[in-house]
Amino acid sequence: DGGITQSPKYLFRKEGQNVTLSCEQNLNHDAMYWYRQDPGQGLRLIYYSQIVNDFQKGDIAEGYSVSREKKESFPLTVTSAQKNPTAFYLCATTDPGRSTDTQYFGPGTRLTVL
Amino acid sequence: AQSVTQLDSHVSVSEGTPVLLRCNYSSSYSPSLFWYVQHPNKGLQLLLKYTSAATLVKGINGFEAEFKKSETSFHLTKPSAHMSDAAEYFCVVRDNYGQNFVFGPGTRLSVLP
Repeated sequence: DGGITQSPKYLFRKEGQNVTLSCEQNLNHDAMYWYRQDPGQGLRLIYYSQIVNDFQKGDIAEGYSVSREKKESFPLTVTSAQKNPTAFYLCATTDPGRSTDTQYFGPGTRLTVL
Repeated sequence: AQSVTQLDSHVSVSEGTPVLLRCNYSSSYSPSLFWYVQHPNKGLQLLLKYTSAATLVKGINGFEAEFKKSETSFHLTKPSAHMSDAAEYFCVVRDNYGQNFVFGPGTRLSVLP
């Protein structure tokens, strides 16, 4: 997991509430990503950010929002507009300035809507 | 557009026998290919990657994969399975002009004693 922290590990939310998932990295990587993982579907991209103060929608951005005010931080807000938010959420980073283009992943946050 | 197919959703082997996890990809450009492993409720860990150097790539924990352009395949193998190999495995593709990574649906590997 090296250098990427996600908190909390488990999160419970009532329907209709917004909730924010934290992702922090000390790898000095420029690019950060949020993925959603559901059983049998692999990882699907929610949002990504290549640099500070800039981010792009991924394949399933509806009902989610992000910010990138600092290089180290890329929080994800799951809004009440997300109809089925129960899932495992993974944050990842890469360093586009290097040719290795490997993604590094955090330990994940499991969100359950009650 | 890029895509990844993992042909088996679940593979079961006995401890000490070989492992083969299959992956086929589609990419318009010269791709980078990765295999990641995920243990339950954990993040993903890189096993190995191909980035246009040697076609046979060796990774951690005795795993290796061979890039075959003619077959658009990148199958993951290990000569002898260990109980600790039981996990979910993901094949990932990224083309050299793309920004993002495309994940396969995953293959769950079970290792029987």
